[in-house]
Amino acid sequence: GQSLEQPSEVTAVEGAIVQMNCTYQTSGFYGLSWYQQHDGGAPTFLSYNALDGLEETGRFSSFLSRSDSYGYLLLQELQMKDSASYFCAVKVNTGFQKLVFGTGTRLLVSP
Amino acid sequence: SQTIHQWPATLVQPVGSPLSLECTVEGTSNPNLYWYRQAAGRGLQLLFYSIGIDQISSEVPQNLSASRPQDRQFILSSKKLLLSDSGFYLCAWSVMGRTGFGYTFGSGTRLTVV
Repeated sequence: GQSLEQPSEVTAVEGAIVQMNCTYQTSGFYGLSWYQQHDGGAPTFLSYNALDGLEETGRFSSFLSRSDSYGYLLLQELQMKDSASYFCAVKVNTGFQKLVFGTGTRLLVSP
Repeated sequence: SQTIHQWPATLVQPVGSPLSLECTVEGTSNPNLYWYRQAAGRGLQLLFYSIGIDQISSEVPQNLSASRPQDRQFILSSKKLLLSDSGFYLCAWSVMGRTGFGYTFGSGTRLTVV
């Protein structure tokens, strides 16, 4: 089976940098994705790492270490609008490619 | 461009009543389609996925079923709802080969069973 662990909540202030971690145990691992979900909304895709290392997209960066089964999402220059839940999801192939989601980290950004 | 439509946005249904949620995708052909459910404050649980018309696989045994009568239409159903079926239901799509990208989700249906 697959399991993913994320801290339940992280708090930070505007302008700061925050890192949200994700550890996973899976079979048939293809890559690690990150999604943002605001309250009441649908998840939106942020990033995808298939290989080890850091991927950067604007204020968002995502890191993967396949040997450690670990990844993180880094948000810089935090803004109030970044307050949301952030989910890591592993892309696995168990006869069919699918995403398995973690339980999410709720990020609260304060002024 | 590709879009995904999901309706209704909210639904309140009594226990024991039937359910039908519909999802359609535009701007792509032969997408992989998925139904996820999210309980309040929790992660997303994969319920069903489909790689083509009438090709449905279930991830979790329950009183829900799914059908794909057309290439870009995915329907989630139940004959008799349970209280535990309450949640946020999300349809999503992906296209084979888009390994560098993730899923695109519909806006979701918030179902409350009373």
